Amino acid sequence: DAKTTQPPSMDCAEGRAANLPCNHSTISGNEYVYWYRQIHSQGPQYIIHGLKNNETNEMASLIITEDRKSSTLILPHATLRDTAVYYCIVRSDSWGKLQFGAGTQVVVTP
Amino acid sequence: DSGVTQTPKHLITATGQRVTLRCSPRSGDLSVYWYQQSLDQGLQFLIQYYNGEERAKGNILERFSAQQFPDLHSELNLSSLELGDSALYFCASSGGGTSRPRETQYFGPGTRLLVL
Repeated sequence: DAKTTQPPSMDCAEGRAANLPCNHSTISGNEYVYWYRQIHSQGPQYIIHGLKNNETNEMASLIITEDRKSSTLILPHATLRDTAVYYCIVRSDSWGKLQFGAGTQVVVTP
Repeated sequence: DSGVTQTPKHLITATGQRVTLRCSPRSGDLSVYWYQQSLDQGLQFLIQYYNGEERAKGNILERFSAQQFPDLHSELNLSSLELGDSALYFCASSGGGTSRPRETQYFGPGTRLLVL
């Protein structure tokens, strides 16, 4: 699975959009981009995933660049409960393991 | 609530002892994954079972073993425990008919193990 690079931390104001970047320059054609988050030692929570096209669900939007070398997770209206570590994961085997990196610690402030 | 349950929530034991962690997957999920999260190593994949059979192994120590039973629940056995085994242990499941997409892994709340 391709390696991902994320900033170690980000601050976001409550009510504003949070844009979380992820670089995955060595991604190959059949690899998906997954996003999970972990709120203070709870079990990781699935957010969204995509292959080529932009994706949106009730939690977030995922924007993948045309060359697929980077992506951005967008939390449209951040709340205090969105404070968590966010993990960007590139995955080739849909049924296999998730390889977690260090992630981005996002702190949403009032 | 992810639908994945893990017991116990907390476990305190002594070095050299053996413990068993239990995981019940989401209804209908056939795959179970075990992960370890320690302060210095982050979240690491240990082992995966699919419908009772071992499918993949990660950085799982020889002192650790797991199995998945016919009812699809899984147990992770940790023996000859050392101080460094203190960690959060998470179970995840996937592959059930109600998961959308089916390969999404849903995580349990974890078991916090403290070895003294």
